[in-house]
Amino acid sequence: AVQLVESGGGLVQPKESLKISCAASGFTFSNAAMYWVRQAPGKGLEWVARIRTKPNNYATYYADSVKGRFTISRDDSKSMVYLQMDNLKTEDTAMYYCTAAITGGFDYWGQGVMVTVSS
Amino acid sequence: DTVLTQSPALAVSPGERVSISCRASEGVNSYMHWYQQKPGQQPKLLIYKASNLASGVPARFSGSGSGTDFTLTIDPVEADDTATYFCQQSWNDTFGAGTKLELK
Repeated sequence: AVQLVESGGGLVQPKESLKISCAASGFTFSNAAMYWVRQAPGKGLEWVARIRTKPNNYATYYADSVKGRFTISRDDSKSMVYLQMDNLKTEDTAMYYCTAAITGGFDYWGQGVMVTVSS
Repeated sequence: DTVLTQSPALAVSPGERVSISCRASEGVNSYMHWYQQKPGQQPKLLIYKASNLASGVPARFSGSGSGTDFTLTIDPVEADDTATYFCQQSWNDTFGAGTKLELK
């Protein structure tokens, strides 16, 4: 069965850093573009970051709201994807979902990890 | 960025047919996908590339459209379909605000 399991969330203060991780299993991880999508409490979904596959040079893309502060990376040997979040702001408070895009849409989703930025 | 516009909410009775619309501010070809999200759960892919049923999704769900106008149809609606439905375009990766479906 496909599994995406996020970890590393928590409570941090503004301007601090946090790194969240996602462990994937049950599908060919190296063939999937991986994304982080977030959802603020009671709000809609927002794409945050994307990383493509090795044939596409692991190209990365970011939402304007996080560009220059967040870094997505992947380790195909471990089937892991990461999101390094620096200079966090209160508006970054959200549930962060790891997702895998295979058909074009987001086929697989993790349960999510909560990140709270508050002083 | 491409803005996706959805109606905020709909209410239907079980057994009826419901159509949920999503309008894009610019053409996205057929790169439109639909998700169902129930409270406290992660989203679930229902339809990919406008009209393709995702694996394991009941045939009561269908999608149509291309360019700027897209529709998710549920026929017939069941009580378990109470959820928020999001459209998402992968032309430049944006989501609609979601349509909350309630059962009468």
